[in-house]
Amino acid sequence: GENVEQHPSTLSVQEGDSAVIKCTYSDSASNYFPWYKQELGKGPQLIIDIRSNVGEKKDQRIAVTLNKTAKHFSLHITETQPEDSAVYFCAASMNQGGKLIFGQGTELSVKP
Amino acid sequence: DSGVTQTPKHLITATGQRVTLRCSPRSGDLSVYWYQQSLDQGLQFLIHYYNGEERAKGNILERFSAQQFPDLHSELNLSSLELGDSALYFCASSARSGGTDTQYFGPGTRLTVL
Repeated sequence: GENVEQHPSTLSVQEGDSAVIKCTYSDSASNYFPWYKQELGKGPQLIIDIRSNVGEKKDQRIAVTLNKTAKHFSLHITETQPEDSAVYFCAASMNQGGKLIFGQGTELSVKP
Repeated sequence: DSGVTQTPKHLITATGQRVTLRCSPRSGDLSVYWYQQSLDQGLQFLIHYYNGEERAKGNILERFSAQQFPDLHSELNLSSLELGDSALYFCASSARSGGTDTQYFGPGTRLTVL
């Protein structure tokens, strides 16, 4: 069935370093890949998304890359700041139904 | 603030009871999705409604049901509650029903079953 694997489960970096989180998906029909940031006690907040007709998308310090052949997509955060500390989730979706299949989450800690 | 509202924020109840969680989508959004977040299962899709009609079901238990009303708000009903139903329940909304539509999440309802 549909599955999204996310690695690593925890990631600790120094302020100013880059952070990379990787996801793989199982269903080749998936064509939409959002990333969410969840802070303690809050709902997931969309930070960036990419659709299958695009290989890379960037928004200031955040970028996402997609390799449809390998069924792999990644989140890159540059110049990390303490306020980037949170749990990050990747997800995949297909045209039908609209349900998001989430990865297991990555707890990112940015140390000052 | 995503524009999606959920009530109540916290709910504490006993096993065997029934509760109703409420969600109001962002203004203009026609789709509502319900997700359950637990430590062991992560974020799991439950059900999707579009303009009052059920569009897709995930691993939603038979004890759980949902509906979307003419004003587009949605309710998730959980009955015969068990300890394992304790979790965060999120709703999300999107403009249409397509799988590539951006989903905006509400702040969630934390359900504790004692």
